[in-house]
Amino acid sequence: ETGVTQTPRHLVMGMTNKKSLKCEQHLGHNAMYWYKQSAKKPLELMFVYSLEERVENNSVPSRFSPECPNSSHLFLHLHTLQPEDSALYLCASSPRATNSPLHFGNGTRLTVT
Amino acid sequence: QQQVKQSPQSLIVQKGGISIINCAYENTAFDYFPWYQQFPGKGPALLIAIRPDVSEKKEGRFTISFNKSAKQFSLHIMDSQPGDSATYFCAASASGGSYIPTFGRGTSLIVHP
Repeated sequence: ETGVTQTPRHLVMGMTNKKSLKCEQHLGHNAMYWYKQSAKKPLELMFVYSLEERVENNSVPSRFSPECPNSSHLFLHLHTLQPEDSALYLCASSPRATNSPLHFGNGTRLTVT
Repeated sequence: QQQVKQSPQSLIVQKGGISIINCAYENTAFDYFPWYQQFPGKGPALLIAIRPDVSEKKEGRFTISFNKSAKQFSLHIMDSQPGDSATYFCAASASGGSYIPTFGRGTSLIVHP
């Protein structure tokens, strides 16, 4: 158990569907992250939420929409995705403003058909 | 974002051998250097980390060597075991700047029995 829980573990969706990925942490961390991990590509930072501040990678398409209702929960809303969006989506958390490691969840394996 | 260059991309080692993965960075403000280990179907997990006030840190069979003047750090896995087969990521972050880490591209390690 990593302390960071992601659901669902696997998701298959069509290009016209709308779905959401959920992440939950009870480690007392105040920064949460979404990463995309594709085969043979580096980890891609998508979004960071910290103390109600959002940092985003400007290259992330608008079909990905994050939501962070509180410091323990993070969502990634998906709509009209493309097949190239198929990847492992990883959530992580950490204490903010300190050099501490990230705690990752085990990811959601997303397949877009 | 400042780069962290990781090599090799893949590594095959015989059981009992030494695995060495190297990382180089550019940003002299980086002062925290973690290594993560990722098994298939799992998220990355912290393996070992070093701060630049020491040149080496050892935890069991895993050692980080750090060369501040060369802006390089490396992971050494002694007596490599098949169970060490995983993807390894180096990362770097700066306490005085953005707390968001910069990751290397990853190294896929296979240890043959």
